[in-house]
Formats: sequence, C-alpha cells, structure tokens
Amino acid sequence: AAGVIQSPRHLIKEKRETATLKCYPIPRHDTVYWYQQGPGQDPQFLISFYEKMQSDKGSIPDRFSAQQFSDYHSELNMSSLELGDSALYFCASSYRPGTRSTDTQYFGPGTRLTVL
Amino acid sequence: AQSVTQLDSHVSVSEGTPVLLRCNYSSSYSPSLFWYVQHPNKGLQLLLKYTSAATLVKGINGFEAEFKKSETSFHLTKPSAHMSDAAEYFCVVSRASGGSYIPTFGRGTSLIVHP
Repeated sequence: AAGVIQSPRHLIKEKRETATLKCYPIPRHDTVYWYQQGPGQDPQFLISFYEKMQSDKGSIPDRFSAQQFSDYHSELNMSSLELGDSALYFCASSYRPGTRSTDTQYFGPGTRLTVL
Repeated sequence: AQSVTQLDSHVSVSEGTPVLLRCNYSSSYSPSLFWYVQHPNKGLQLLLKYTSAATLVKGINGFEAEFKKSETSFHLTKPSAHMSDAAEYFCVVSRASGGSYIPTFGRGTSLIVHP
C-alpha cells in the first residue's frame, strides 16, 4: 500500500539559511500534520492542514510556515535556520474529518535536517 | 486537556520473554489511544489503536494492548520478545480539534532485547 512520502530524506543547511520540506500524503488522505522530533525527544506537533486550510497550530516557530496545495501535498518552509532546528521532521496524513479513521495518522519516514 | 505518561523510559527483556510497556493517560473526552513503534532512524509505525469497539486490541507483530478505563491505562504487551522488537515505543492519546485530531505523545519507552 502507498505510504506517506517525504522529501528530501536528509538535508544539511548552514545557520540563517532556508529549507523547504515536502510531504505527499497517502492517496485519499486530505489532512496533513507536521511534527518535529529532537534527539531523544518525543515528536512535537507543529501544524496541521485540512482541505488546504490551516486546521491547528502547535509549537511552530514564527520562522516556519507551511501550506497545503490543491493536490493535498504540503510544504514546510523554514527560514533563518538555527542550530536548534536540527531534528527529524515528520509528516503524517489521515482521512478527512467525519470518519472515525480520521484519528489514525500514518507517518512518513521523516526528513533529517542538520543545521551547521 | 489530555496527557500521556509512559511509566518506564527503558525496559530490558531477554529474547523469548514477555514484554510489558506501561502507559497511563488522562483525557477530558472518550479517548482514542494508539501505540506507535519507531526503529532507529526510521519513521513511526502504527502498532495498534483503541477505538472503544473492544477493550483488548490486537496489533501487528504479536503486540496487543488492553484499555482499562478504571485505571486509565493502556499497557502494551507481547508474550514473547524478538530481537527485532528492539525499538522506541510511543503511547499516544488523540483529541478532536477543528478539522483534525491532535495527538499527545508520551515520552517514549526504549525496549531493549537481550539474546
């Protein structure tokens, strides 16, 4: 079965640079979530989108922004990168609200961002 | 409000012995509860999910979890550990918010399996 696709899988950036992470949800999933997982930490919810609209906002820094496109893929844009942004960034997707399965999120393999 | 407490940061077992990973939760609503597994440098894989249909939930790879409302617990068990079970396990409680469900993760339990 198709899974959540994230690209790139690894990314190395310098401080103050920008980065764009991409997420392609499972087909027919139209809700996308972004998480940040620091070393040895549990995943922290950043932001979610449903039908191209921001649905919920977690601990996402102001330097980060995200959007969901008409094909339901999502991009996380990160600017003025800091050393502390080095982490594993996960995307997850789920079915649209109204179905019980909405609460099950399927995670992608993650993008490992290293800021030097 | 909701929260998840995984009672052990590390659990060490021998191959072939039972596994018990403990999770307690608090939630203002009827919760959806999940266990995810994360192998080193990998994504999160769904092990099982509780949705109120049955209190004993069977998942993949021989894992199961029992929802006990009176104890607000959702412990993960497996009768016999395998070396490939060594990984980080996360207990998750989920709440509805607007158009999506927002999960709260436990801090994780690292399962170590000895030969």
